[in-house]
Amino acid sequence: EPEVTQTPSHQVTQMGQEVILRCVPISNHLYFYWYRQILGQKVEFLVSFYNNEISEKSEIFDDQFLVERPDGSNFTLKIRSTKLEDSAMYFCASSRGPNEKLFFGSGTQLSVL
Amino acid sequence: ELKVEQNPLFLSMQEGKNYTIYCNYSTTSDRLYWYRQDPGKSLESLFVLLSNGAVKQEGRLMASLDTKARLSTLHITAAVHDLSATYFCAVIRTTSGTYKYIFGTGTRLKVLA
Repeated sequence: EPEVTQTPSHQVTQMGQEVILRCVPISNHLYFYWYRQILGQKVEFLVSFYNNEISEKSEIFDDQFLVERPDGSNFTLKIRSTKLEDSAMYFCASSRGPNEKLFFGSGTQLSVL
Repeated sequence: ELKVEQNPLFLSMQEGKNYTIYCNYSTTSDRLYWYRQDPGKSLESLFVLLSNGAVKQEGRLMASLDTKARLSTLHITAAVHDLSATYFCAVIRTTSGTYKYIFGTGTRLKVLA
């Protein structure tokens, strides 16, 4: 069964450093999302992406965050200057259509020290 | 702002018992999604409820949707230990062609042998 893949599974970084989280959505999906979850709690929406541009972003998604689809398969989330409060599990998700169920990747656990 | 609330937040139940998890949302939506998350894992889609009165069942889980009451329920019948997980409902908000899935607060279920 097709799946969303994310790399790396764990990322440890120093505060102020840049990180790039990578995702490969399911190949025939058109809608892409980033969510984050802190300590197994609420699943927070960060950004949605369609047709090579951001569809919607949350208040969390400030200028420190950047999403890109650099080629036909990858979907990346860059955090330019990490803060302690960015420590979380980041999930990439994709869907075939605009309101179909989301398929989630296995997540990247980001730890900012 | 669309709010999605679940109750209870935590549920500890004996094997063989029945229980219901409730999901309330604050604005109109025609679709509701249920996901399961095992500890340290990703989110897995359980059900997509497409319209008012929709009911879906798989195994010991049954989900229903009442769009007029803005309420969905996830009913557990004769719980078994394998159902221990966190369950999230999610509602989609569409605004001018953008799509955003808002997740509930989650219900952490522990089934005791």
